[in-house]
Formats: sequence, C-alpha cells, structure tokens
Amino acid sequence: EPEVTQTPSHQVTQMGQEVILRCVPISNHLYFYWYRQILGQKVEFLVSFYNNEISEKSEIFDDQFSVERPDGSNFTLKIRSTKLEDSAMYFCASSERQDNYGYTFGSGTRLTVV
Amino acid sequence: KNQVEQSPQSLIILEGKNCTLQCNYTVSPFSNLRWYKQDTGRGPVSLTIMTFSENTKSNGRYTATLDADTKQSSLHITASQLSDSASYICVVRLSGGSYIPTFGRGTSLIVHP
Repeated sequence: EPEVTQTPSHQVTQMGQEVILRCVPISNHLYFYWYRQILGQKVEFLVSFYNNEISEKSEIFDDQFSVERPDGSNFTLKIRSTKLEDSAMYFCASSERQDNYGYTFGSGTRLTVV
Repeated sequence: KNQVEQSPQSLIILEGKNCTLQCNYTVSPFSNLRWYKQDTGRGPVSLTIMTFSENTKSNGRYTATLDADTKQSSLHITASQLSDSASYICVVRLSGGSYIPTFGRGTSLIVHP
C-alpha cells in the first residue's frame, strides 16, 4: 500500500537553529499538508500546498515556517529559528483531492528543541 | 467557533469486549467526518469517512454512525483486540471555503488481556 515517508524520524536541534523536515508524499497525490502534535495535545493543522503554492495556513504557520517542493518527489517544512515550543511531532500528509479523499499521513518526525 | 469534543477522554476495557466512543461537533457547514486511529508515536490512520448523507459506515470491527441533525458521531469497536489500544480521533471538515480540518483531542483506548 502506498505510504507517505518522513525523514528523519527523530531530530534534536539547539534553540535558534534552522531545521528542515522532509516528506515524500504518495506519487499520484496533488495536495500536501503539514501538521504538528505537541506531546499530549491534539493534532493541529499548519499548512496545505497545491500547485507549488500555499493553499491555506493556520495562525501557527508564521514567518518562521516555510514549505517547499524542491523537486518532483520531496515536500519540506523549514523552521528558520527554532524555539523550545516548536518541540512536537510533525506529520506530513498528502491527498488525491482537496476534499480529503485518500488522505494519508506519514509516521511523523519527532522534533526536540533543546 | 468550530469545535470537536470527544468522550470519554480515556477508556480501559478487557479484550473481547465492545466499546463505543463519542464525538460531538459544532463545525458548520459540515462536509465530512472522519475517524482516525493513532498508535503511540505514529501518524493517524483513517478508519472511516462519512458525508452529510451517510448514517453509518463499517470497516471490519469498526462501525461509525453519524447524526448530522444533532451533530453527533460514534465509533463502535466490536470484539476488541489488544492491538486496538490507541488514540481514536474524530476529525470534521467544513464544506466550501476553508478545507482546514478540526481535530478532536481523541479518546485513549487501552485494551487489557
């Protein structure tokens, strides 16, 4: 069964450093998403991406965050200057259509900011 | 404000028993509701998705119901197994305009042998 692949599975970084989280969406999917889940809290939407541009973003997705599809397969989330409160699980997801059918999550990257 | 409330917050049952998880939402206008299973440290996996016109949908031992009038959904798990231990998350999506989903906090289910 097709999977959304995320790397690395765990990333530890010092406060103030830049991090890039990587995702390989399912190959025939056109819509891409990033979510985060702080330990013990609910999943929160960050951003959706289609046709090489951001479709929607939440209040969480401020100027410290950016997304990119650098080639035909990867989808990345960059955090420019990490803060302690950025520590969370970050999930990538992709879907065939914008209305959610075929929505598939990756296994996540655990980001720890120290 | 669009909200999704789930109950109970946590639930412990014995293997082989049935259980029902609840989801109430205030999201409007409603497009669809999805139940996810999330194992610890993993991404959510979709169990069922229902639109406004659907009342019930099954996926193996999982059966979801939807009452769009009262804005309530339930997830019934039959003959629970140890592998059912996970967090079950209700997610509701608006129709038209924004496609940002609203997540519930989840119900943590523990199945004991």
